Amino acid sequence: GESVGLHLPTLSVQEGDNSIINCAYSNSASDYFIWYKQESGKGPQFIIDIRSNMDKRQGQRVTVLLNKTVKHLSLQIAATQPGDSAVYFCAENSLGSWGKLQFGAGTQVVVTP
Amino acid sequence: GAVVSQHPSWVICKSGTSVKIECRSLDFQATTMFWYRQFPKQSLMLMATSNEGSKATYEQGVEKDKFLINHASLTLSTLTVTSAHPEDSSFYICSASRNTGELFFGEGSRLTVL
Repeated sequence: GESVGLHLPTLSVQEGDNSIINCAYSNSASDYFIWYKQESGKGPQFIIDIRSNMDKRQGQRVTVLLNKTVKHLSLQIAATQPGDSAVYFCAENSLGSWGKLQFGAGTQVVVTP
Repeated sequence: GAVVSQHPSWVICKSGTSVKIECRSLDFQATTMFWYRQFPKQSLMLMATSNEGSKATYEQGVEKDKFLINHASLTLSTLTVTSAHPEDSSFYICSASRNTGELFFGEGSRLTVL
């Protein structure tokens, strides 16, 4: 079936460097995408979202890029900090099914000093 | 602070018993809540959509008689894992949508079945 997936299961980043986390999706009906951060034993924490009518959105230290042509989503974290160490998930929401999210596999980000 | 609360945050039970997990929206009403399951080092998988005042909608492969969902009020949905077995051990997470469209997740409930 259609799914959201990630290219890299683990990303090791040096403190202060930029991180890029990638996500591929296959459901062309998806119109809303969200990035979540999950720390061990906790629920997902919203980071940033983007609608399908946009290709870029910026937040505080984070940027999400959406390429609908190749069905690709990325999360960029600037000046990665130790507190950014967590698992990051992309999630998609299809038009007409608000709130029903399909999550990608997740990427473990490890920030090294 | 949290706007969606889950209780208990963790529970250990014996095989064959039933366990109830609550999901509450703390400062808003949620006609729809969602239940997810997450196995260790895996992603979140949507189990069901909980609808206030009506039956829950289950995703393919999720046994409705195994995972009973009750959405009795606009601020509370409960998930009951009936006759739990070790393979039901997982992290159960709920989410709720405010009428503004914002989605909020609970902190999750870890179930361990011995």
